[in-house]
Amino acid sequence: QVQLVQSGAGVKNPGASMKVSCKASAYRFTDNYLHWVRQAPGRGLEWMGWINPHTGDTNFAQKFRGRFTLTRDTSSGTAYMELSRLRSDDTAIYFCARGRASDYTDLDLWGQGALVTVSS
Amino acid sequence: DIQMTQSPSSLSASVGDRVTITCRASQGIRSDLAWHQQKPGKAPRPLIYAVSNLQGGVPSRFSGSGYGTEFTLTISSLQPEDFGTYYCLQHSTYPLTFGGGTKVEIK
Repeated sequence: QVQLVQSGAGVKNPGASMKVSCKASAYRFTDNYLHWVRQAPGRGLEWMGWINPHTGDTNFAQKFRGRFTLTRDTSSGTAYMELSRLRSDDTAIYFCARGRASDYTDLDLWGQGALVTVSS
Repeated sequence: DIQMTQSPSSLSASVGDRVTITCRASQGIRSDLAWHQQKPGKAPRPLIYAVSNLQGGVPSRFSGSGYGTEFTLTISSLQPEDFGTYYCLQHSTYPLTFGGGTKVEIK
């Protein structure tokens, strides 16, 4: 079954870092970009950036530059999102989503999400 | 950044009703517009891409139209399983931006 399975949910202290993983199954990992989108409690969707799993190239929304790192491990088909210097307003569900093969900026498959709560 | 304005923000309709949701872009985005459905506690689900193309497995009662700055999602005959929040997504220009969502409730 084609899917993205996420892990890394949890509670983090302000100022700490968090890392969420996104493992691709049943498709060639390097064929599609992977995007990251977050959703604060009760709020809408906010695009954060993408990684090209084939080359490792990345692109981020301006507001996340400097705190946001995307990496991937092609041997395991897993992408990673790390956010540093966490603040309370980073509390959100973090989704990975696959870019469509025909248009990598569109999204055609979502992971189940990982809830990260930033609280002391 | 391109602002995506959805209307209405919420609606309540009966099974069998025709429902229309509008998404307006603050500048032209050609046909780089998609719709996603999200149910409470779940990840979003892609419904429509490139304005009017149904994602695999999406019922034909869903349709989309528009170009440039104004887009619509129509559900021709609302079904009980169509409850949830619908988001438009522009992927023409970075940063990608979503509309604020339209919450659909079944009367």
